[in-house]
Amino acid sequence: AQSVSQHNHHVILSEAASLELGCNYSYGGTVNLFWYVQYPGQHLQLLLKYFSGDPLVKGIKGFEAEFIKSKFSFNLRKPSVQWSDTAEYFCAVRHPGRLYFGRGTQLTVWP
Amino acid sequence: NAGVMQNPRHLVRRRGQEARLRCSPMKGHSHVYWYRQLPEEGLKFMVYLQKENIIDESGMPKERFSAEFPKEGPSILRIQQVVRGDSAAYFCASSPPGQGAVKNTEAFFGQGTRLTVV
Repeated sequence: AQSVSQHNHHVILSEAASLELGCNYSYGGTVNLFWYVQYPGQHLQLLLKYFSGDPLVKGIKGFEAEFIKSKFSFNLRKPSVQWSDTAEYFCAVRHPGRLYFGRGTQLTVWP
Repeated sequence: NAGVMQNPRHLVRRRGQEARLRCSPMKGHSHVYWYRQLPEEGLKFMVYLQKENIIDESGMPKERFSAEFPKEGPSILRIQQVVRGDSAAYFCASSPPGQGAVKNTEAFFGQGTRLTVV
């Protein structure tokens, strides 16, 4: 069965620091890859997605992610975080139709 | 185009009662997913449905839980004889049909239903 690993469960940063959240998945075939964000008390919103093509994808709010097929990874990055980025971040992989989610990473940004 | 609508937003049930959670997908979406979220445990897949079909229910507990997505109307997640351990947030997501096995579509989430069993 597909599995999605997010290695950082809780990340604490100061504003303007750079962010990288790791995501690895277990399936080697064709997949769809996603990062979702959940702000406190809200539902999940899509940050970015990868279906095919350029492995470096840009999403909303300055986030980007890089798909490295050889490493089965889809890490999320942001050069300079803001206090408003405090939220929980979920990596998700679709194969074939079912969406598998990682455990989530809680990001706390101090002003 | 309204988003994914879930109701109720909050549901309180006594132990032994039934809970019915509803999910209306976005217009044109024929695929629905249900997830359960517990603190510190992330999103646990429960069931994946298309109209009138259960595609994958491998995440559903064997007893007391059932789901349907009829031809007309919302998808329903039903929990019979609720217990305290069922207290959680239940999220529904919908996506369009897409193409091929991997679909190449994104899933949109509803606001969730927070079930509390007292």
